[in-house]
Amino acid sequence: DAGITQSPRHKVTETGTPVTLRCHQTENHRYMYWYRQDPGHGLRLIHYSYGVKDTDKGEVSDGYSVSRSKTEDFLLTLESATSSQTSVYFCAISSPRLAGRADTQYFGPGTRLTVL
Amino acid sequence: ELKVEQNPLFLSMQEGKNYTIYCNYSTTSDRLYWYRQDPGKSLESLFVLLSNGAVKQEGRLMASLDTKARLSTLHITAAVHDLSATYFCAVDDNYGGATNKLIFGTGTLLAVQP
Repeated sequence: DAGITQSPRHKVTETGTPVTLRCHQTENHRYMYWYRQDPGHGLRLIHYSYGVKDTDKGEVSDGYSVSRSKTEDFLLTLESATSSQTSVYFCAISSPRLAGRADTQYFGPGTRLTVL
Repeated sequence: ELKVEQNPLFLSMQEGKNYTIYCNYSTTSDRLYWYRQDPGKSLESLFVLLSNGAVKQEGRLMASLDTKARLSTLHITAAVHDLSATYFCAVDDNYGGATNKLIFGTGTLLAVQP
Protein backbone atom coordinates (compact mmCIF):
# COMPACT_ATOMS: atom_id res chain seq x y z
CA ASP A 1 0.00 0.00 0.00
CA ALA A 2 1.12 3.50 -0.74
CA GLY A 3 1.72 5.35 2.52
CA ILE A 4 -1.49 7.32 2.62
CA THR A 5 -3.70 7.71 5.66
CA GLN A 6 -6.91 9.62 6.08
CA SER A 7 -8.49 10.84 9.29
CA PRO A 8 -11.06 10.49 10.54
CA ARG A 9 -12.24 7.35 8.76
CA HIS A 10 -15.85 7.94 9.74
CA LYS A 11 -17.60 11.08 10.85
CA VAL A 12 -21.18 12.07 11.54
CA THR A 13 -21.88 15.75 11.87
CA GLU A 14 -24.75 18.18 11.73
CA THR A 15 -25.68 20.66 9.05
CA GLY A 16 -23.90 23.97 9.45
CA THR A 17 -20.90 22.70 11.38
CA PRO A 18 -17.35 22.98 10.04
CA VAL A 19 -15.53 19.76 9.21
CA THR A 20 -11.89 19.15 8.36
CA LEU A 21 -10.60 15.97 6.81
CA ARG A 22 -6.91 15.16 6.81
CA CYS A 23 -4.80 13.30 4.31
CA HIS A 24 -1.28 12.33 5.28
CA GLN A 25 1.33 10.74 3.02
CA THR A 26 4.76 9.32 3.70
CA GLU A 27 5.72 8.98 0.02
CA ASN A 28 6.92 12.55 -0.57
CA HIS A 29 4.75 12.83 -3.68
CA ARG A 30 4.35 16.34 -4.96
CA TYR A 31 0.72 16.12 -6.08
CA MET A 32 -2.24 15.47 -3.83
CA TYR A 33 -5.94 15.31 -4.65
CA TRP A 34 -9.31 15.20 -2.92
CA TYR A 35 -12.21 13.34 -4.52
CA ARG A 36 -15.72 12.55 -3.46
CA GLN A 37 -17.50 9.34 -4.41
CA ASP A 38 -21.25 9.18 -4.79
CA PRO A 39 -23.45 6.49 -6.33
CA GLY A 40 -24.00 7.10 -10.02
CA HIS A 41 -21.19 9.64 -10.26
CA GLY A 42 -18.00 7.68 -9.88
CA LEU A 43 -15.33 9.83 -8.31
CA ARG A 44 -15.24 13.59 -8.80
CA LEU A 45 -12.27 15.83 -8.18
CA ILE A 46 -12.82 18.51 -5.53
CA HIS A 47 -9.43 20.21 -5.23
CA TYR A 48 -5.85 19.31 -5.89
CA SER A 49 -2.42 20.52 -4.89
CA TYR A 50 0.72 20.68 -6.99
CA GLY A 51 3.02 21.73 -4.16
CA VAL A 52 3.13 23.28 -0.73
CA LYS A 53 0.70 26.21 -0.66
CA ASP A 54 -0.19 25.58 -4.34
CA THR A 55 -3.75 24.41 -4.87
CA ASP A 56 -6.42 24.59 -7.53
CA LYS A 57 -10.08 23.75 -8.00
CA GLY A 58 -11.51 20.59 -9.47
CA GLU A 59 -14.95 19.71 -10.87
CA VAL A 60 -16.96 20.13 -7.67
CA SER A 61 -15.14 22.67 -5.49
CA ASP A 62 -18.09 24.76 -4.27
CA GLY A 63 -18.44 24.53 -0.50
CA TYR A 64 -14.94 23.15 0.00
CA SER A 65 -11.56 24.67 0.74
CA VAL A 66 -8.14 23.08 1.05
CA SER A 67 -4.78 23.84 2.53
CA ARG A 68 -1.34 22.36 2.21
CA SER A 69 1.30 23.75 4.54
CA LYS A 70 3.56 20.69 4.39
CA THR A 71 4.35 18.22 1.64
CA GLU A 72 2.88 15.36 3.60
CA ASP A 73 -0.46 16.88 4.65
CA PHE A 74 -3.45 18.00 2.59
CA LEU A 75 -6.51 19.23 4.45
CA LEU A 76 -10.05 19.43 3.11
CA THR A 77 -12.45 21.75 4.95
CA LEU A 78 -16.19 22.00 4.69
CA GLU A 79 -16.80 25.44 6.13
CA SER A 80 -20.48 24.79 6.81
CA ALA A 81 -21.45 21.22 6.09
CA THR A 82 -24.66 20.48 4.17
CA SER A 83 -26.51 17.21 3.64
CA SER A 84 -25.45 17.23 -0.02
CA GLN A 85 -21.88 16.82 1.18
CA THR A 86 -22.64 13.42 2.66
CA SER A 87 -20.25 11.23 0.72
CA VAL A 88 -17.13 9.12 0.82
CA TYR A 89 -14.03 11.26 0.45
CA PHE A 90 -10.82 9.89 -1.00
CA CYS A 91 -7.40 11.44 -1.00
CA ALA A 92 -4.92 10.51 -3.70
CA ILE A 93 -1.27 11.21 -4.44
CA SER A 94 0.86 11.11 -7.55
CA SER A 95 4.16 12.06 -9.02
CA PRO A 96 4.39 14.69 -11.78
CA ARG A 97 3.36 13.47 -15.20
CA LEU A 98 6.35 12.71 -17.35
CA ALA A 99 6.17 11.70 -20.97
CA GLY A 100 6.27 7.96 -21.31
CA ARG A 101 5.98 7.29 -17.57
CA ALA A 102 3.01 5.25 -16.48
CA ASP A 103 2.59 6.88 -13.09
CA THR A 104 -0.74 6.40 -11.48
CA GLN A 105 -2.64 8.00 -8.65
CA TYR A 106 -2.60 6.11 -5.37
CA PHE A 107 -5.67 6.38 -3.24
CA GLY A 108 -6.10 6.54 0.51
CA PRO A 109 -8.58 4.38 2.46
CA GLY A 110 -11.37 6.97 2.36
CA THR A 111 -13.44 8.90 4.90
CA ARG A 112 -17.16 8.29 5.17
CA LEU A 113 -18.86 11.56 6.09
CA THR A 114 -22.51 11.81 7.03
CA VAL A 115 -24.11 15.23 7.43
CA LEU A 116 -27.45 15.09 9.25
CA GLU B 1 -15.37 19.56 -21.20
CA LEU B 2 -14.15 16.02 -20.89
CA LYS B 3 -16.82 13.42 -20.28
CA VAL B 4 -16.23 9.75 -19.64
CA GLU B 5 -18.85 7.09 -20.19
CA GLN B 6 -18.64 3.49 -19.13
CA ASN B 7 -20.87 0.66 -20.10
CA PRO B 8 -22.40 -1.47 -18.97
CA LEU B 9 -23.07 -0.06 -15.52
CA PHE B 10 -23.82 -3.51 -14.18
CA LEU B 11 -22.59 -6.84 -15.46
CA SER B 12 -23.61 -10.19 -14.14
CA MET B 13 -21.66 -13.00 -15.68
CA GLN B 14 -21.02 -16.67 -15.11
CA GLU B 15 -17.69 -18.07 -14.14
CA GLY B 16 -15.69 -19.13 -17.15
CA LYS B 17 -17.29 -16.63 -19.53
CA ASN B 18 -15.66 -13.73 -21.33
CA TYR B 19 -16.87 -10.17 -21.42
CA THR B 20 -15.77 -6.61 -22.19
CA ILE B 21 -16.28 -3.31 -20.40
CA TYR B 22 -16.18 -0.19 -22.55
CA CYS B 23 -14.95 3.27 -21.71
CA ASN B 24 -15.61 6.15 -24.10
CA TYR B 25 -14.33 9.68 -23.60
CA SER B 26 -15.17 12.90 -25.34
CA THR B 27 -11.95 14.92 -25.84
CA THR B 28 -8.30 14.29 -26.56
CA SER B 29 -6.28 12.73 -23.80
CA ASP B 30 -2.94 11.02 -23.65
CA ARG B 31 -3.49 8.61 -20.82
CA LEU B 32 -6.20 6.42 -19.42
CA TYR B 33 -6.41 4.47 -16.20
CA TRP B 34 -8.33 1.45 -14.97
CA TYR B 35 -9.02 0.95 -11.29
CA ARG B 36 -10.72 -1.74 -9.26
CA GLN B 37 -12.73 -1.12 -6.11
CA ASP B 38 -13.98 -3.79 -3.74
CA PRO B 39 -17.03 -2.95 -1.59
CA GLY B 40 -16.15 -0.52 1.20
CA LYS B 41 -12.55 -0.33 0.07
CA SER B 42 -10.25 2.08 -1.70
CA LEU B 43 -9.30 2.09 -5.37
CA GLU B 44 -6.57 -0.18 -6.64
CA SER B 45 -4.70 0.72 -9.80
CA LEU B 46 -4.92 -1.95 -12.51
CA PHE B 47 -3.55 -0.38 -15.69
CA VAL B 48 -2.18 2.85 -17.06
CA LEU B 49 -2.43 3.18 -20.85
CA LEU B 50 -0.27 5.86 -22.43
CA SER B 51 -0.49 5.60 -26.17
CA ASN B 52 -2.65 4.61 -29.06
CA GLY B 53 -2.77 0.88 -29.48
CA ALA B 54 -1.46 0.25 -25.98
CA VAL B 55 -2.41 -3.14 -24.59
CA LYS B 56 -1.70 -4.36 -21.09
CA GLN B 57 -2.56 -7.68 -19.49
CA GLU B 58 -2.59 -8.90 -15.94
CA GLY B 59 -4.00 -12.34 -15.28
CA ARG B 60 -7.53 -12.57 -16.68
CA LEU B 61 -7.76 -8.84 -17.39
CA MET B 62 -6.58 -7.12 -20.54
CA ALA B 63 -6.92 -3.41 -21.24
CA SER B 64 -6.48 -1.62 -24.55
CA LEU B 65 -6.60 1.95 -25.75
CA ASP B 66 -7.63 3.44 -29.10
CA THR B 67 -7.01 7.18 -28.84
CA LYS B 68 -8.42 7.88 -32.29
CA ALA B 69 -11.75 6.32 -31.36
CA ARG B 70 -11.43 7.67 -27.80
CA LEU B 71 -12.21 4.21 -26.54
CA SER B 72 -10.68 1.86 -24.03
CA THR B 73 -11.77 -1.67 -23.31
CA LEU B 74 -11.25 -3.93 -20.33
CA HIS B 75 -11.59 -7.54 -21.40
CA ILE B 76 -12.25 -10.27 -18.88
CA THR B 77 -11.25 -13.78 -19.85
CA ALA B 78 -12.73 -16.86 -18.16
CA ALA B 79 -14.16 -14.90 -15.26
CA VAL B 80 -13.76 -16.13 -11.69
CA HIS B 81 -15.63 -15.04 -8.58
CA ASP B 82 -12.59 -13.15 -7.26
CA LEU B 83 -12.99 -10.66 -10.10
CA SER B 84 -16.29 -9.45 -8.66
CA ALA B 85 -15.80 -5.73 -7.94
CA THR B 86 -16.52 -2.30 -9.39
CA TYR B 87 -14.23 -1.25 -12.22
CA PHE B 88 -13.59 2.36 -13.07
CA CYS B 89 -11.91 3.94 -16.02
CA ALA B 90 -10.45 7.42 -15.60
CA VAL B 91 -9.14 9.78 -18.25
CA ASP B 92 -6.52 12.44 -17.72
CA ASP B 93 -8.01 15.89 -18.28
CA ASN B 94 -4.70 17.74 -18.38
CA TYR B 95 -3.30 16.96 -21.80
CA GLY B 96 0.27 18.18 -21.88
CA GLY B 97 0.22 19.34 -18.29
CA ALA B 98 2.01 18.12 -15.21
CA THR B 99 -0.82 17.11 -12.91
CA ASN B 100 -3.06 14.09 -13.23
CA LYS B 101 -6.54 15.61 -13.23
CA LEU B 102 -8.67 12.54 -13.65
CA ILE B 103 -12.24 12.37 -14.85
CA PHE B 104 -13.83 9.10 -13.81
CA GLY B 105 -16.50 7.03 -15.44
CA THR B 106 -19.43 6.01 -13.28
CA GLY B 107 -18.07 2.51 -12.83
CA THR B 108 -19.11 -1.00 -13.84
CA LEU B 109 -20.27 -3.31 -11.09
CA LEU B 110 -19.16 -6.80 -12.05
CA ALA B 111 -20.77 -9.77 -10.35
CA VAL B 112 -19.38 -13.16 -11.28
CA GLN B 113 -21.79 -15.95 -10.48
CA PRO B 114 -20.67 -19.54 -9.87
